[in-house]
Amino acid sequence: AIQLTQSPSSLSASVGDTVTITCRASQGISSALAWYQQKPGKAPKFLIFDASSLESGVPSRFSGSGSGTDFTLTISSLQPEDFATYYCQQFSDYPITFGQGTRLEIK
Amino acid sequence: QVQLVESGGGAVQPGGSLRLSCAASGFTFSTYGIHWVRQAPGKGLEWVTFIRYDGSNKYYADSVRGRFTISRDNSRNTLYLQMNSLRVEDTAVYYCAKDPRIAAADIYSYLDLWGRGTLVTVSS
Repeated sequence: AIQLTQSPSSLSASVGDTVTITCRASQGISSALAWYQQKPGKAPKFLIFDASSLESGVPSRFSGSGSGTDFTLTISSLQPEDFATYYCQQFSDYPITFGQGTRLEIK
Repeated sequence: QVQLVESGGGAVQPGGSLRLSCAASGFTFSTYGIHWVRQAPGKGLEWVTFIRYDGSNKYYADSVRGRFTISRDNSRNTLYLQMNSLRVEDTAVYYCAKDPRIAAADIYSYLDLWGRGTLVTVSS
């Protein structure tokens, strides 16, 4: 199974900051990567597909990039509602796998 | 309103069985594949199983193969997960989640719509 390693596992930031989360795949997955946001006690929310395509309705401060094995999620001008846990997911190979998550906390 | 609503979770002893349901509304259920994904308390997301839009193909994680069975009733817009021989490590919130592609033949996709989840607790 393809392993996805997210870094950092957690980070602290302030409102207005720009943060970047990295997702590294154990083998090449082209652009078959998605990102999700999850708040405590809630279901994951789909943000980005195909590594860099923003889901309709997702604020433009979210952006994704990368291909092959290295991917990033960047959140610009952090808003209070952005503090959550973020997961990457690959859909290039069976089984589908998720990264372990990155917890974004308020500094 | 486009949504998925899970039900059927609860507490069960190791070795027991449980059947989860996922009711869909607001979209043409019969044309989309659906996944089950679980999340153990305080842990990350784990993909569990997937069923094709027409029910003709099913895929399972190694951790549940032979114990869990996914099925669907397109006339009732409902997905099911029959869980047998439950283990303590199956304790988790179980989410159903939708593939965004219409009539897709394979499993390889992201998940664009998630239910709120239902908690399964396996404990003696």
